[in-house]
Amino acid sequence: DIQMTQSPTSLAASVGESVTITCLASEDIYGSLVWYQQKPGKSPQLLIYGATILEDGIPSRFSGSGSDTQYSLKINSLQPEDFASYYCQNGLSTPRTFGGGTKLELK
Amino acid sequence: EVKLQQSGDELVRPGASVKISCKASGYTFTSYSMHWVKQRPGQGLEWIGAIIPIIDTTEYNQKFKGKATLTADKSSNTANMELSRLTSEDSAVYYCARHGGGYYFDYWGQGVMVTVSS
Repeated sequence: DIQMTQSPTSLAASVGESVTITCLASEDIYGSLVWYQQKPGKSPQLLIYGATILEDGIPSRFSGSGSDTQYSLKINSLQPEDFASYYCQNGLSTPRTFGGGTKLELK
Repeated sequence: EVKLQQSGDELVRPGASVKISCKASGYTFTSYSMHWVKQRPGQGLEWIGAIIPIIDTTEYNQKFKGKATLTADKSSNTANMELSRLTSEDSAVYYCARHGGGYYFDYWGQGVMVTVSS
């Protein structure tokens, strides 16, 4: 199974700041990396797939980058609604595996 | 509008089984695989398995073989998951999710909380 390691596990930031979350795959996933956002009590929401492709309706302050085993999610100019948990997911093979999550909190 | 409507929360006794459903609407049910994901309270996401409704083929995470059974009813556009021999470790929220584009989950159900308690 491909292991997905996210860092940091938690992050405190202020509105207007920029943050970066990283995800490391245990092997090359050839860009098949997905990011989700999850708010408390809600289902995960697709943000980015193919490492860099923004899902329709997702604000452009979200961006993804990376290749091979290393990937990042960057959020520019944080808005109040961005404070949530974020998960990366291996899309290359089954079992589909997720990172442990990053909880983004308001400083 | 694509929608995945899951059944209600469940309180079940240890050792029992539970079946939860996921009714799809707004798209052709047989054109996409349906996946199931577990999330324990305060924890991350764990992939359980998937079903391809058009051919009734299933694939399971090895960890959930024998625990989860996935089925699909094409006549009602509903995917189902049965969990057996429940223990406290099975207390979690269970989501169904449509597999869009081949490797990502583009639509999710609202989740079903299963609580295993005597």
